[in-house]
Amino acid sequence: EAGVTQFPSHSVIEKGQTVTLRCDPISGHDNLYWYRRVMGKEIKFLLHFVKESKQDESGMPNNRFLAERTGGTYSTLKVQPAELEDSGVYFCASSQRQGAYGYTFGSGTRLTVV
Amino acid sequence: GQQLNQSPQSMFIQEGEDVSMNCTSSSIFNTWLWYKQDPGEGPVLLIALYKAGELTSNGRLTAQFGITRKDSFLNISASIPSDVGIYFCAGQLFGGSNYKLTFGKGTLLTVNP
Repeated sequence: EAGVTQFPSHSVIEKGQTVTLRCDPISGHDNLYWYRRVMGKEIKFLLHFVKESKQDESGMPNNRFLAERTGGTYSTLKVQPAELEDSGVYFCASSQRQGAYGYTFGSGTRLTVV
Repeated sequence: GQQLNQSPQSMFIQEGEDVSMNCTSSSIFNTWLWYKQDPGEGPVLLIALYKAGELTSNGRLTAQFGITRKDSFLNISASIPSDVGIYFCAGQLFGGSNYKLTFGKGTLLTVNP
């Protein structure tokens, strides 16, 4: 089966611009998660979708971040306007069942805000 | 929020040597997990531990879930060059709708052939 696909793999934008990251989960996986790793720090949870509903968005840094999952398939994470501290690697993961077992991560999107 | 202290931050070893890394937490977890990240890839699950005191092996990897539920270690025996990468511990506390993972900062492993 195809894995979790993230697009783009890299993005360099200027401070104040808008960027949209996309995640295509494994087909049939109802659970979709976004995580972020700022350089040298831990990977941090951002939010969790179950189908199209936001189950837990306690990790979203602020209201400049907007995640959507229309139709319960792919998800987008938009940052508007981007700030320097938003730079990092954004990972998406999906699972069929809730829980860590069976969590499959994508390769990530490396975002650089200059 | 919950935080994991993972050590060491980095290790440089010779091929064939054994490696040990660990994670500690100020709070308990129901599940401990160990992931490996290769350059340009996402984390891949190596071992999952679900019970306090549990010792689990996966090939040359062995991990244990601490009896206090606040720590875990990962051992790699007879390291080989393809073991190079970043190793992350992660804890999970099931409860209600909470299925998020709390990660450590990672251990960068370099293996010298």
